[in-house]
Amino acid sequence: GIQVEQSPPDLILQEGANSTLRCNFSDSVNNLQWFHQNPWGQLINLFYIPSGTKQNGRLSATTVATERYSLLYISSSQTTDSGVYFCAVVSPFNNNDMRFGAGTRLTVKP
Amino acid sequence: DTAVSQTPKYLVTQMGNDKSIKCEQNLGHDTMYWYKQDSKKFLKIMFSYNNKELIINETVPNRFSPKSPDKAHLNLHINSLELGDSAVYFCASSTGTALGEKLFFGSGTQLSVL
Repeated sequence: GIQVEQSPPDLILQEGANSTLRCNFSDSVNNLQWFHQNPWGQLINLFYIPSGTKQNGRLSATTVATERYSLLYISSSQTTDSGVYFCAVVSPFNNNDMRFGAGTRLTVKP
Repeated sequence: DTAVSQTPKYLVTQMGNDKSIKCEQNLGHDTMYWYKQDSKKFLKIMFSYNNKELIINETVPNRFSPKSPDKAHLNLHINSLELGDSAVYFCASSTGTALGEKLFFGSGTQLSVL
């Protein structure tokens, strides 16, 4: 099956810093989403982005499908950005199976 | 007005017991899922149902049995609970087999088997 690798596994930032999280995937995909799991365990959908670039406030994401990677940018980080960020993909051969990466654990210090 | 709701939020039980987790979505989605998140936060799909029909059944012990009475509900029943079943279980839904649909998660059920 399709493999999803995220980097870095852990990231510690000072409040106000910018960061880039990366997601590599092993095969073509027709669906890629970024999720944030907050410290209370809730999983929130940030972006649906199988290709191209999207922005939502301080967050933006870019997927280059031909090169099999996606990037999540966090600018001017805040302590509330802390948590685990997951990338998840869907293979065109199995539309109902969304595979998750292992996540990047982000800690933003005040 | 919760979109995907699952109950209970916490479940503490003894080894060998049978327990169920309920999930309901009011989004009108056709596809529902169960994911298991282990202690290292790794999320792995267990089951996927599309319009009450099982689509995916990953390598999950047959002690786990999903039940979908209608497309808005997907319950998870677990027989003979084992210590290794301790994890957080997430229910999720999406609009179905259409490409590029967003996945919405419930708030999770933390299962602790003692």
